[in-house]
Amino acid sequence: EAGVAQSPRYKIIEKRQSVAFWCNPISGHATLYWYQQILGQGPKLLIQFQNNGVVDDSQLPKDRFSAERLKGVDSTLKIQPAKLEDSAVYLCASSPVGDSYGYTFGSGTRLTVV
Amino acid sequence: AQTVTQSQPEMSVQEAETVTLSCTYDTSENNYYLFWYKQPPSRQMILVIRQEAYKQQNATENRFSVNFQKAAKSFSLKISDSQLGDTAMYFCAFTVYRDDKIIFGKGTRLHILP
Repeated sequence: EAGVAQSPRYKIIEKRQSVAFWCNPISGHATLYWYQQILGQGPKLLIQFQNNGVVDDSQLPKDRFSAERLKGVDSTLKIQPAKLEDSAVYLCASSPVGDSYGYTFGSGTRLTVV
Repeated sequence: AQTVTQSQPEMSVQEAETVTLSCTYDTSENNYYLFWYKQPPSRQMILVIRQEAYKQQNATENRFSVNFQKAAKSFSLKISDSQLGDTAMYFCAFTVYRDDKIIFGKGTRLHILP
């Protein structure tokens, strides 16, 4: 079974620029999550999709962050404009509905904003 | 609100020794799951062990075992016969039963010394 794919693996941008991350979940997993992991902290949920609908985006800074999940499969997370404090690892995860045991994480994208 | 607290930012032990990582959590829910995740430098979050709150028996996976104290809201991880490959960040995590969202602690960086 293929894992959760994420790209790019690393990204360095200047503040005020825009950036996008891509995630391809495990086939058949209806639920997809984006987490932000700041250095020295645990992952924090940004947004949760079920199929192509948003379940929870209460922690997403909507003035600069946006996310979509086209056709209930792939997802993109965008930041525009980026701030220094957005430097973090962005992890994507997927799971079957209502099954936290089936959570599978990708390897993440490390974003550095300079 | 649910919270997860890991009070040990960093630990070091000699190879083959036993080490215990501490975790406490706070919730008003009665049905939930607790997890320990391992995050090596590759950044992939790997599930080490999980515990269902309704089970009194402590979970065990090979060299990894937990001490689950529901009344005290404590969930520690014991690693026996530690190996160099156990070097990683370890995150304690929590989710309410039938809720897909996982809440993470800040992590403990574990170094296994040769």
